[in-house]
Amino acid sequence: QVQLVQSGAEVKKPGASVKISCKASGYMFTSYYMHWVRQAPGQGLEWMGIINPSGGSTTYAQKLQGRVTMTRDTATSTVYMELSSLRSEDTAVYYCARDLVAGTPSGAFDVWGQGTMVTVSS
Amino acid sequence: EIVLTQSPATLSLSPGERATLSCRASQSVSSYLAWYQQKPGQAPRLLISDASNRATGIPARFSASGSGTDFTLTITSLEPEDFAVYYCQQRGNWPPLTFGGGTKVQIK
Repeated sequence: QVQLVQSGAEVKKPGASVKISCKASGYMFTSYYMHWVRQAPGQGLEWMGIINPSGGSTTYAQKLQGRVTMTRDTATSTVYMELSSLRSEDTAVYYCARDLVAGTPSGAFDVWGQGTMVTVSS
Repeated sequence: EIVLTQSPATLSLSPGERATLSCRASQSVSSYLAWYQQKPGQAPRLLISDASNRATGIPARFSASGSGTDFTLTITSLEPEDFAVYYCQQRGNWPPLTFGGGTKVQIK
């Protein structure tokens, strides 16, 4: 079955970086764009950006430009999201989410990872 | 950036009752609006895409309508497992993709 499995929880100090992985299985990895969405504790959902697993091209949310980097490894069907210069406001659950439509970035999400909690605290 | 406003913030209902949730966009998103359900400790789940298309495996008691700036999600008869937070999300004009603030459907 289609599945996205993310790496485990992280605790980081302010100013550090975090890199989260999302391993896809059950479908052709390069056929579906992948998004990252985060959710601060008790808050709503925030879109962070999108990566094309085929060519590696990315588009990031403007507020995160310069701090976020999304990459992929086609050999292992894994996408990564790295966030640098962490601050307390980055404390959140981070989700990878597959785009709904094959071959084109539709902007809807049909399969989600289980989430990765990132805590930023001194 | 398109802002989505959901109302009410909280809906208190009993099992078997009808739930009506609203999502309003700050500008037209055509029919490019999706609805997600999220339960505590879980990832969101896609319910509806493109304003009214139920996702695979979603029960028929979930329906949605709307276009332009005003959208509605209806749950015709609440089941115990339907008590959750519901988010709308637009893809009519992106980036960025944006979500509403959510409506919590709780047991009365």
